[in-house]
Amino acid sequence: QQQVRQSPQSLTVWEGETAILNCSYEDSTFDYFPWYRLFPGESPALLIAIRPVSNKKEDGRFTIFFNKREKKLSLHITDSQPGDSATYFCAASGGTGSKLSFGKGAKLTVSP
Amino acid sequence: EAAVTQSPRSKVAVTGGKVTLSCHQTNNHDYMYWYRQDTGHGLRLIHYSYVADSTEKGDIPDGYKASRPSQENFSLILELASLSQTAVYFCASSDAGGQDTQYFGPGTRLLVL
Repeated sequence: QQQVRQSPQSLTVWEGETAILNCSYEDSTFDYFPWYRLFPGESPALLIAIRPVSNKKEDGRFTIFFNKREKKLSLHITDSQPGDSATYFCAASGGTGSKLSFGKGAKLTVSP
Repeated sequence: EAAVTQSPRSKVAVTGGKVTLSCHQTNNHDYMYWYRQDTGHGLRLIHYSYVADSTEKGDIPDGYKASRPSQENFSLILELASLSQTAVYFCASSDAGGQDTQYFGPGTRLLVL
């Protein structure tokens, strides 16, 4: 059972546009939502994370919008650059859980 | 200086053979994880450990064993490798389990023929 779902699976945007990657989850006990980014040939790395005490987290061109009632969140990448081309994973964990549940990932391509 | 290292970085194995993937971390983290990455499946947790000499099953443990002989080392063992285990395997460590940043190793690309 997929606890974290992502859409779309792949997205292509033009340089300078805003890319929006969506994520939803099932478990209402989840209270930590990180996004990891994976460049081809490299290893996943934390990009940005949010906890439900806030409905928005911003870090430069990257912003997470969080809707607890609907169990949805989204990652917005403004002024997208070709260097942002990567696979983005939404993840979630809850309480004292030891595990992160990852989504299947979304492949973003930014065309110049 | 890389804090999570994996060996080998790539391996070709034969079906039915034994494969051992090794992970070493210098982060002084209690938690270590093994994931496999496949296109269309994302990152799936195989085994994890929060203390030396103890391991826990993740979401897809079948066909895999794990060993944590020390805080720094965590191994993944495929006793009888199968074609379906061809994937990229990532090791990761974290300080506070699922509520903390996970630091990933460079990955091991495993091809089972």
